[in-house]
Amino acid sequence: ETGVTQTPRHLVMGMTNKKSLKCEQHLGHNAMYWYKQSAKKPLELMFVYNFKEQTENNSVPSRFSPECPNSSHLFLHLHTLQPEDSALYLCASSQDKGTSGRGYEQYFGPGTRLTVT
Amino acid sequence: GQNIDQPTEMTATEGAIVQINCTYQTSGFNGLFWYQQHAGEAPTFLSYNVLDGLEEKGRFSSFLSRSKGYSYLLLKELQMKDSASYLCAVRDWSNDYKLSFGAGTTVTVRA
Repeated sequence: ETGVTQTPRHLVMGMTNKKSLKCEQHLGHNAMYWYKQSAKKPLELMFVYNFKEQTENNSVPSRFSPECPNSSHLFLHLHTLQPEDSALYLCASSQDKGTSGRGYEQYFGPGTRLTVT
Repeated sequence: GQNIDQPTEMTATEGAIVQINCTYQTSGFNGLFWYQQHAGEAPTFLSYNVLDGLEEKGRFSSFLSRSKGYSYLLLKELQMKDSASYLCAVRDWSNDYKLSFGAGTTVTVRA
């Protein structure tokens, strides 16, 4: 596997379910991100982890819970979601979060298309 | 936060040139990125500008003017496979180096 992988690619869940999204990066990066992408809207940053430490929780509801056990893996645990949470959830990684001053671009995974019924 | 504006849609003919503009407002500019996203796929990195001027990479070029808060992505010799959404993103050191994205410009290339 190369780059950034995400599983599952598609997920349909009821509002009372609990599920988890998984992201893995094979690039040796130190920063990982969760974004939400809704139709016709800008990508919304949800969480940032830098060297396994969470550095950003962008006012995300507590029904979304991230976990970063190591610098290669990132999870997003979901519970009691709402229909408006239906969206494409993208994981990304970069060498660092930008503090080095270099143009370290973010590499994105293919996303998980989430539908909440 | 940052205000990042780009046109919603553009249409062009195969072989032509299209210029996608992006304007932004930020307190601590630390670089501008362009990404390409085909429908149902991941955004992929196209270009990065941090200094004023033009960066050329094959058929794609990106320009930046920091004083004007303005960038454009120029796509030359358009091909059908260039039909995609193009995302402008700005990194801001005063916002903990986070990327803020525009809503994207959907480019449709017609034969």
